[in-house]
Amino acid sequence: AQSVTQLGSHVSVSEGALVLLRCNYSSSVPPYLFWYVQYPNQGLQLLLKYTTGATLVKGINGFEAEFKKSETSFHLTKPSAHMSDAAEYFCAVSDQGDSSYKLIFGSGTRLLVRP
Amino acid sequence: DADVTQTPRNRITKTGKRIMLECSQTKGHDRMYWYRQDPGLGLRLIYYSFDVKDINKGEISDGYSVSRQAQAKFSLSLESAIPNQTALYFCATSDGRQGSNQPQHFGDGTRLSIL
Repeated sequence: AQSVTQLGSHVSVSEGALVLLRCNYSSSVPPYLFWYVQYPNQGLQLLLKYTTGATLVKGINGFEAEFKKSETSFHLTKPSAHMSDAAEYFCAVSDQGDSSYKLIFGSGTRLLVRP
Repeated sequence: DADVTQTPRNRITKTGKRIMLECSQTKGHDRMYWYRQDPGLGLRLIYYSFDVKDINKGEISDGYSVSRQAQAKFSLSLESAIPNQTALYFCATSDGRQGSNQPQHFGDGTRLSIL
């Protein structure tokens, strides 16, 4: 069964530093890939997605992610962290051949931004 | 107004009580989902629905039931609540007519505590 691994339940960076949140998936067939962000007391909001085409995907709030098939990875990055980026981030995948269109989520990474 | 609305936002109840969580959407999407979120576990799928007459079990459906009263409404019931059902519950929607590469759109969640 498909699984998603997010390394690091908590990541702490200084304001202005690079943000790198890691995501690996298990499927041998590349799935559709998503990153969501969850701010306190809110639902999940889509940051970006990869379906086909260019492997470097740009999303909202300056985030981007690169799909690397050989590494089965879809890591999320942002060149310079802002205090407002503090939130929990979830990587999710959807199997292309699954008619249910279910999302399988990673366990999440909480990003802390230090002043 | 929110596209995906969940009620109530917070609920505290006692073991053995029947509880219903409601979700309504104005996005016109055909697919609706119920997830629960537990710390360190990400989101896990409880039930999903393709349309009013198509209900499917997810990963953790035991102890839960659902009803799709209309395309825009999808409710989740706990017939006899138990403390380990204490969690944050999310409703989500997606446009299945556009394929599995479409993102899901989430409500703001219902925080449920069972004493």
